[in-house]
Amino acid sequence: EPEVTQTPSHQVTQMGQEVILRCVPISNHLYFYWYRQILGQKVEFLVSFYNNEISEKSEIFDDQFSVERPDGSNFTLKIRSTKLEDSAMYFCASITGGPTDTQYFGPGTRLTVL
Amino acid sequence: AQTVTQSQPEMSVQEAETVTLSCTYDTSESDYYLFWYKQPPSRQMILVIRQEAYKQQNATENRFSVNFQKAAKSFSLKISDSQLGDAAMYFCAYRIFDNYGQNFVFGPGTRLSVLP
Repeated sequence: EPEVTQTPSHQVTQMGQEVILRCVPISNHLYFYWYRQILGQKVEFLVSFYNNEISEKSEIFDDQFSVERPDGSNFTLKIRSTKLEDSAMYFCASITGGPTDTQYFGPGTRLTVL
Repeated sequence: AQTVTQSQPEMSVQEAETVTLSCTYDTSESDYYLFWYKQPPSRQMILVIRQEAYKQQNATENRFSVNFQKAAKSFSLKISDSQLGDAAMYFCAYRIFDNYGQNFVFGPGTRLSVLP
């Protein structure tokens, strides 16, 4: 069965550094999402992406965040200057966009900001 | 505001017994979909069951079933014959269609423990 993949599985970085989290959505999917989950808390929507542009973003997704689909397969989340509170699991998800579709989640990247 | 509430932060069940996880949501939309996702210790989010709001019949997937009460905006998950592998965080979520595509809203989760 096709699946969403994410790399790396764990990223450790120093506060103020830039990080790029990578995702490879399922190949025929059209909508892409990033979510984050701070340890012990609920899954929070960050951003959705369709047709090579952001379609919706939450208040969490400020100017420090950006997303890109550079080559038609990868979908990246960049955090320009990480803060301690950015430490979380980051999940990528994708969906074809049909009315009966279900989001498929990647395994997540654990980001630790020191 | 669109919200999902799971009033039980933690639940436990004996192996082979039945447990029900509650979920309520708030939306003004008439067309939406409801989901239960399971997140085991591996942290990957796995779809458990899905319900279309326009369908009156409750969804069932093997040992998992839902009680969907649209008027009450309630969407509970029943796990029958609980197994040790069912131990996980369970998130209720709904999906709406807006002008920009789609959006998912997740509840805070219920941690389910299965006791041998």
